[in-house]
Amino acid sequence: GAGVSQSPSNKVTEKGKDVELRCDPISGHTALYWYRQSLGQGLEFLIYFQGNSAPDKSGLPSDRFSAERTGGSVSTLTIQRTQQEDSAVYLCASSLARDNRGTDNEQFFGPGTRLTVL
Amino acid sequence: AQTVTQSQPEMSVQEAETVTLSCTYDTSENNYYLFWYKQPPSRQMILVIRQEAYKQQNATENRFSVNFQKAAKSFSLKISDSQLGDTAMYFCAFMNPPGNMLTFGGGTRLMVKP
Repeated sequence: GAGVSQSPSNKVTEKGKDVELRCDPISGHTALYWYRQSLGQGLEFLIYFQGNSAPDKSGLPSDRFSAERTGGSVSTLTIQRTQQEDSAVYLCASSLARDNRGTDNEQFFGPGTRLTVL
Repeated sequence: AQTVTQSQPEMSVQEAETVTLSCTYDTSENNYYLFWYKQPPSRQMILVIRQEAYKQQNATENRFSVNFQKAAKSFSLKISDSQLGDTAMYFCAFMNPPGNMLTFGGGTRLMVKP
């Protein structure tokens, strides 16, 4: 079956512009995660969604960052008024469920979106 | 908060030889999961192996095995019979409670030389 997909693969934008990054999780996966991978900060958690519960936004670096997950499937990460320090690879992952033992909590990653802010 | 440390930024190994990547972590939790992920130049993160903290037996997956030392909070990855396709970044990651977000180490860049 299809894995996690992300679009666009690469995005170049100018400082101050807004960008939207999209993630399509694996069908049936109830949990969805966003991570950011940058040279200076390594891999860091941003936000996650689990079913109909309120998302955990504890990793978002500023209020310029927001994310939605519509219908429990597709998610969009929005960065407003982009800054050069936002340049990074944004990774999305999904998993079957949380709080389950066994293999259900394995996170499957998409190929990422490389964001470059000029 | 949990932290994960990978002390080897870069390593190299000859093809067919064995290499061990180090990982230590810090947590006050008793129930957690540990993972090793591989990230080739394609950027796709691929799960290599996982370990449940409540299991004493070290996990193995073909040429990949771990040495999990819970008391020492150490979780090293051993790659046997290294292959050119093993060249990649390797990330150690911690998850607690099960199903929650991953905390990653800084990564180790592994180069397998022919």
